[in-house]
Amino acid sequence: AQSVTQPDIHITVSEGASLELRCNYSYGATPYLFWYVQSPGQGLQLLLKYFSGDTLVQGIKGFEAEFKRSQSSFNLRKPSVHWSDAAEYFCAVVPFDGGYNKLIFGAGTRLAVHP
Amino acid sequence: EPEVTQTPSHQVTQMGQEVILRCVPISNHLYFYWYRQILGQKVEFLVSFYNNEISEKSEIFDDQFSVERPDGSNFTLKIRSTKLEDSAMYFCASSLEGFEATEAFFGQGTRLTVV
Repeated sequence: AQSVTQPDIHITVSEGASLELRCNYSYGATPYLFWYVQSPGQGLQLLLKYFSGDTLVQGIKGFEAEFKRSQSSFNLRKPSVHWSDAAEYFCAVVPFDGGYNKLIFGAGTRLAVHP
Repeated sequence: EPEVTQTPSHQVTQMGQEVILRCVPISNHLYFYWYRQILGQKVEFLVSFYNNEISEKSEIFDDQFSVERPDGSNFTLKIRSTKLEDSAMYFCASSLEGFEATEAFFGQGTRLTVV
């Protein structure tokens, strides 16, 4: 079945530590790939996206993500986490099943940052 | 910075009542969307709207739901005869073009509670 999977529901890291959030997708063709962040009481904000080309993409707030076709993955990384990064992170895809007008989201990973 | 605004931020309604959730998209955007997030679950696509008509909808978006752009600035989601399971956070989003071309901006959401 077509899906977007974020295997980690909760992750806790110490401030200054590195971070990797996992995302796998299951679609016949490589979809467009996105990472969004949702801070408490806020809407969803786009961190970065991948359509084609360089498989390492840079986003806002010091985040990056790497597309690996062989693993059907699009993991989000940050070398040094700040306390303000505590939020919920959503991987999302635009699947090529008839249109470009919908985002399919993963279940989200809630990130907690210890001082 | 332009933003998508949603009103109200929280609405409580009795089961069986009709509710209208309101959104003001970014002024020059052409594509409009509604998503919902039931507490503890993933963000789900409901509907996309372009050129004054629905361009795509999910299986969730049944006859109970309707969308409208009544005056060129507002974008509304109407839920007729609300059910308990309609309780969720509803997000509006807009984009200049489809997701393959431009970023979609999300509002802060309306929390709907059906009692």
